[in-house]
Amino acid sequence: VQLVESGGGLVQPGGSLRLSCAASGFTFSSYWMTWVRQAPGKGLEWVANIKEDGSGKYYMDSVKGRFTISRDDANNSLYLQMNSLRTEDTAVYYCARDRTRLFDWGQGTLVTVSS
Amino acid sequence: QSALTQPASVSGSPGQSITIPCTGTSSDVGTYNYVSWFQQHPGKAPKLMIFGVSNRPSGVPDRFSGSKSGNTASLTISGLQAEDEADYYCSSYASSSTVIFGGGTKLTVL
Repeated sequence: VQLVESGGGLVQPGGSLRLSCAASGFTFSSYWMTWVRQAPGKGLEWVANIKEDGSGKYYMDSVKGRFTISRDDANNSLYLQMNSLRTEDTAVYYCARDRTRLFDWGQGTLVTVSS
Repeated sequence: QSALTQPASVSGSPGQSITIPCTGTSSDVGTYNYVSWFQQHPGKAPKLMIFGVSNRPSGVPDRFSGSKSGNTASLTISGLQAEDEADYYCSSYASSSTVIFGGGTKLTVL
């Protein structure tokens, strides 16, 4: 199993970024997928998840209306569109396989929101 | 929703056993048997150690065990080894397909 995140970088407050997670080594379409973030020096924070068929999407309160999770099962890819970014969104963003068990994690991609 | 409550730090000597508690509420830990535990070494991604309260993924040593009583889940590590020194996080399903994490516990092997 391999999960590889990309798309992080430096963005100004109010800006947008789209994170990607390329999955391999398992049947991607059979699993919920999750985004978790970790601010510098802080703990893990669940951000969002998406059902196997993409019909259900769930978010933490502070990102509702700003972030959108999506998936492309044909390309074994997970995405996180992040709009109206705030300084408090600065973190390493990880994608993980499954809804609660989070069996496998990527190496993370750093998002820095700063002027 | 507030994070699950974990002690900031615990410590133990090699060969000893330690337990890390994770306290939630009747809306998460107390109702659902979807408690997981993760180990994170500095600069690394988290690694699943326990899922479903007490199940170990393949490859995780049986020195690691999990349990739950009421609103509190616990991770026990027996026969502590130097490589167990890391941060440990619990998580729980919290209804409406959301998940909540604990604040994390730094384990120091003396």
